[in-house]
Amino acid sequence: RKEVEQDPGPFNVPEGATVAFNCTYSNSASQSFFWYRQDCRKEPKLLMSVYSSGNEDGRFTAQLNRASQYISLLIRDSKLSDSATYLCVVTPNDMRFGAGTRLTVKP
Amino acid sequence: NAGVTQTPKFQVLKTGQSMTLQCAQDMNHNSMYWYRQDPGMGLRLIYYSASEGTTDKGEVPNGYNVSRLNKREFSLRLESAAPSQTSVYFCASRPRAATNEKLFFGSGTQLSVL
Repeated sequence: RKEVEQDPGPFNVPEGATVAFNCTYSNSASQSFFWYRQDCRKEPKLLMSVYSSGNEDGRFTAQLNRASQYISLLIRDSKLSDSATYLCVVTPNDMRFGAGTRLTVKP
Repeated sequence: NAGVTQTPKFQVLKTGQSMTLQCAQDMNHNSMYWYRQDPGMGLRLIYYSASEGTTDKGEVPNGYNVSRLNKREFSLRLESAAPSQTSVYFCASRPRAATNEKLFFGSGTQLSVL
């Protein structure tokens, strides 16, 4: 089993839709969790960290479920500019990335 | 403030050649990382250095060596390049391991091995 696994996607949604991604991890000692965004194989950029109580940043909501060992990302009111690959990252010390979920938002 | 600088940006090698990818950060970060990304896949960790003087294997270390030359620099060496090592390589750093601090990435190196 891979340490970090993501929904395979791709997700194709219309503008304004709500979309959710999940990411499961196998190392119960993992302490830090992140969602990154990557455009066209450029360097990934931090979208948001994931905190134990869940956190929100505008249209984006991240949740952590330690009991079931997964994190989630919810995007509300999708915009064309949200089209990208979303990568989850889990770490005790090393930063392990999931394979990524491709999102395309269509007009 | 340059952040994380990778050189070169592009490189073409022949099978069996060796080369070193350079990475330097000017943010006084303790932890540095090397990743590779193949088409349609996420980033896979090759090696990382949690702090100056330490290095550890990641998911895909075979065929690579690393050197944490000092706190600023973390190089990745391919001793005998193979076509399977054709990939985009990213270097990254962050202040400390085992924290909630984000990674800062270099802009990547596109490597082709013929």
